[in-house]
Amino acid sequence: AQSVTQPDIHITVSEGASLELRCNYSYGATPYLFWYVQSPGQGLQLLLKYFSGDTLVQGIKGFEAEFKRSQSSFNLRKPSVHWSDAAEYFCAVEGNTGFQKLVFGTGTRLLVSP
Amino acid sequence: DAGVIQSPRHEVTEMGQEVTLRCKPISGHNSLFWYRQTMMRGLELLIYFNNNVPIDDSGMPEDRFSAKMPNASFSTLKIQPSEPRDSAVYFCASSLDAGDIQYFGAGTRLSVL
Repeated sequence: AQSVTQPDIHITVSEGASLELRCNYSYGATPYLFWYVQSPGQGLQLLLKYFSGDTLVQGIKGFEAEFKRSQSSFNLRKPSVHWSDAAEYFCAVEGNTGFQKLVFGTGTRLLVSP
Repeated sequence: DAGVIQSPRHEVTEMGQEVTLRCKPISGHNSLFWYRQTMMRGLELLIYFNNNVPIDDSGMPEDRFSAKMPNASFSTLKIQPSEPRDSAVYFCASSLDAGDIQYFGAGTRLSVL
């Protein structure tokens, strides 16, 4: 079964600085990969997804993520963080055959300092 | 479209009471999911419906939990009797079909005293 690891529980970044959130997955083949964001008291919003093709995917709000098969990683990046980006970010993985559960990582809480 | 709609947003109840959480999926979506989010266990899939039929309920914690989907536009998650350890945020999500992108509701925060 697939699994996801987000090694950073909390990250603090200064406003305007760049951001990288780490995500590693475990799956026997190339999975479907997702990043979701959850603002306080809100549901999860999809930032971006990788199904196949170009390994660098662009998402909403200026986010991008790169799939690296050799490292089993799907790290999320943003070149310049805004205070409104403060939220919790979840990486998720889904198997690519039939229906398989969407498995979430434990999340990384992003704090943005002035 | 208004997205996935969940009600109530907050529920406070006493141990032993019955709790019913409601979900209206996005119109046209054939798959519906119930998740539970806690600090200890993160986000867990409880049950998944496809075309109103429960397909995978292996995540339902115990018999106190039940879920129904009487039609394509409505689902309920019921806990009877509720216990303090059921306190969590419960999310409903829907997708066009199995394996498609899931869209989440805002969640129901349940507190069992």
